Amino acid sequence: GNSVTQMEGPVTLSEEAFLTINCTYTATGYPSLFWYVQYPGEGLQLLLKATKADDKGSNKGFEATYRKETTSFHLEKGSVQVSDSAVYFCALSDRSGGSYIPTFGRGTSLIVHP
Amino acid sequence: EPEVTQTPSHQVTQMGQEVILRCVPISNHLYFYWYRQILGQKVEFLVSFYNNEISEKSEIFDDQFSVERPDGSNFTLKIRSTKLEDSAMYFCASSSSGQTYEQYFGPGTRLTVT
Repeated sequence: GNSVTQMEGPVTLSEEAFLTINCTYTATGYPSLFWYVQYPGEGLQLLLKATKADDKGSNKGFEATYRKETTSFHLEKGSVQVSDSAVYFCALSDRSGGSYIPTFGRGTSLIVHP
Repeated sequence: EPEVTQTPSHQVTQMGQEVILRCVPISNHLYFYWYRQILGQKVEFLVSFYNNEISEKSEIFDDQFSVERPDGSNFTLKIRSTKLEDSAMYFCASSSSGQTYEQYFGPGTRLTVT
């Protein structure tokens, strides 16, 4: 079956530090890959996505590249801000079973200090 | 910007009691979903709903769970006889199509079963 594995949190950084949150996946078909973000008190929001190998999703300074050879979709940002403090979820959607229902990781909490 | 809302934000109930979690999806959306996240674990799909019927459900969504769209705006999840292991954060989502990346999530209801 499908699964998503994310690095354990919390990840604690100082403002302007470089961020990487690792995500690897297993899928029976050819999935689309997503990163969602959940700010305190809010719902999950789609941050970025990639639908095929070597695609790079980007939004708000965050990037992630779909790496089929390593089955990875690591999230990166060059310079984090305090406002980036949130929980980040990696997810995949594999239509091979006829469903778009996503498989999520456990989420990684990011804490950015001034 | 339109958003999905959920009430209550936190529900405490005793084991064996019935609970109803409420969601108001975005008004022109046609597809509705419930997910849950047990503390420290993955976000898990429960059920999807379209055209007044369940379109897909996971193995978690057993006979203790039901969903309903009682009027044109609300979408509810009922748990008939709660168990301790039902304690989790429950997220509602809606979308205008069945595409995963178009799902908009609510802030969640934290259910605590004692």
